[in-house]
Amino acid sequence: EAQVTQNPRYLITVTGKKLTVTCSQNMNHEYMSWYRQDPGLGLRQIYYSMNVEVTDKGDVPEGYKVSRKEKRNFPLILESPSPNQTSLYFCASSFTGELFFGEGSRLTVL
Amino acid sequence: TQLLEQSPQFLSIQEGENLTVYCNSSSVFSSLQWYRQEPGEGPVLLVTVVTGGEVKKLKRLTFQFGDARKDSSLHITAAQPGDTGLYLCAGGLNDMRFGAGTRLTVKP
Repeated sequence: EAQVTQNPRYLITVTGKKLTVTCSQNMNHEYMSWYRQDPGLGLRQIYYSMNVEVTDKGDVPEGYKVSRKEKRNFPLILESPSPNQTSLYFCASSFTGELFFGEGSRLTVL
Repeated sequence: TQLLEQSPQFLSIQEGENLTVYCNSSSVFSSLQWYRQEPGEGPVLLVTVVTGGEVKKLKRLTFQFGDARKDSSLHITAAQPGDTGLYLCAGGLNDMRFGAGTRLTVKP
C-alpha cells in the first residue's frame, strides 16, 4: 500500500530537548516536504526536498533542520524545541504535483 | 509570496443544502488544487485545476478555476454529513502554499 509514514504520532517534550520526527514514503517520490498546521493559519511549509541531498527552506524554517540522505526518508529535526513549535506536523511526498500526506505528528513542547 | 485566502472560514449547514467556498489570490497560479482533510488525518487531494475558466466535477462537487487563474471556487450540491471536513486550496510548485481552509459542518 502506497503511504507516507510519520513517527511519532504524538509527542510531549520539554523546551530544549532535541527531537526528530521521522518521515518515510514507499512510492519512490523524489519530492518531499514538511508542513506545520496551526489553527487559523492553515498549512505552512517548513522545508522541502527535490531529491536526495537537495533541500530548500519553505516559509517557516526557523528552528528546524532537515536532511535527505535517502530518497524514501526525510526527517525533521528540532535541535532545541521551544513552546512556539507546538503544532501538528505533516510530511508529504509527490511525483506529479499531487501531495500525499502522512497522518500527522502532534507535538507539544512544554 | 503568493497568498491564498479562503472564505468563509467556517460554514455550518443542514443536509441537502448547497454551498460554495472560495479561494482567492492576488497572484496568478499555473494550477490550483483542492484538498479535504478529516480529523486525525492528512489532507487528501480532490482535484487539480489547470486551465483558466476550467470547470471540473466530482460527483456532487464542482470546482471552477477563474479565467485569470487567480481564484477558484468549490460548489457542493445537496451536501451530506459525509462532506463534513476542512477544505483547503493550494497553489504553487515546489513551494506549495495552502489557504487557511474552510471548515464545513453538515448537520443531519
